[in-house]
Amino acid sequence: EIVMTQSPATLSVSPGERATLSCRASQSVSSNLAWYQQKPGQAPRLLIYGASTRATGIPARFSGSGSGTEFTLTISSLQSEDFAVYYCQQYNNWPPTFGPGTKVDIK
Amino acid sequence: EVQLVESGGGLVQPGGSLRLSCAASGFTFSSYAMHWVRQAPGKGLEYVSAISSNGGSTYYANSVKGRFTISRDNSKNTLYLQMGSLRAEDMAVYYCARGPAVAGHFDYWGQGTLVTVSS
Repeated sequence: EIVMTQSPATLSVSPGERATLSCRASQSVSSNLAWYQQKPGQAPRLLIYGASTRATGIPARFSGSGSGTEFTLTISSLQSEDFAVYYCQQYNNWPPTFGPGTKVDIK
Repeated sequence: EVQLVESGGGLVQPGGSLRLSCAASGFTFSSYAMHWVRQAPGKGLEYVSAISSNGGSTYYANSVKGRFTISRDNSKNTLYLQMGSLRAEDMAVYYCARGPAVAGHFDYWGQGTLVTVSS
């Protein structure tokens, strides 16, 4: 099973600032990597798939990059609605596995 | 609009059984793989099970293999998860999710249903 790690565990950012979240896989997952946003009491929402393709309706301030074992989610200018937990997920190998999440909170 | 609505969660004793349902609407259900993902209280996401679009192939996480059964009724646009031999560690919010493939990302999620395992 591929182990996903995320850093940092918590990221404190001021509104309008840039946020950079990292995700690492224990072995190559090619570009088979997705990012999700989850707010308290809500289901996860797909942001990015294929490492860099924004899902339908996702604002352009969200971008994904990377391949192999190292991936990044960048939020270019944080809005109030972006404070949430972000998970990465690999789907290159069975079973699909998630990272432990990065909480983005208000600085 | 794609909608996934889970039901069937509740309180069950250790060793008991429960069947979850996920009613789908707003898309051609029979064209998509479907999945169950769970989240223990205050914890991260854990993959549970997948089923192909026609129901012919099913997949399970090791943690639930032999205890859970995923199925679907394409005539009713409904996904199921039959859970048996429930343990305390199965307590979680269970989400159904749509995927473009059995092995892939999840583009729409339901709101989740809570399963509590306790005596």
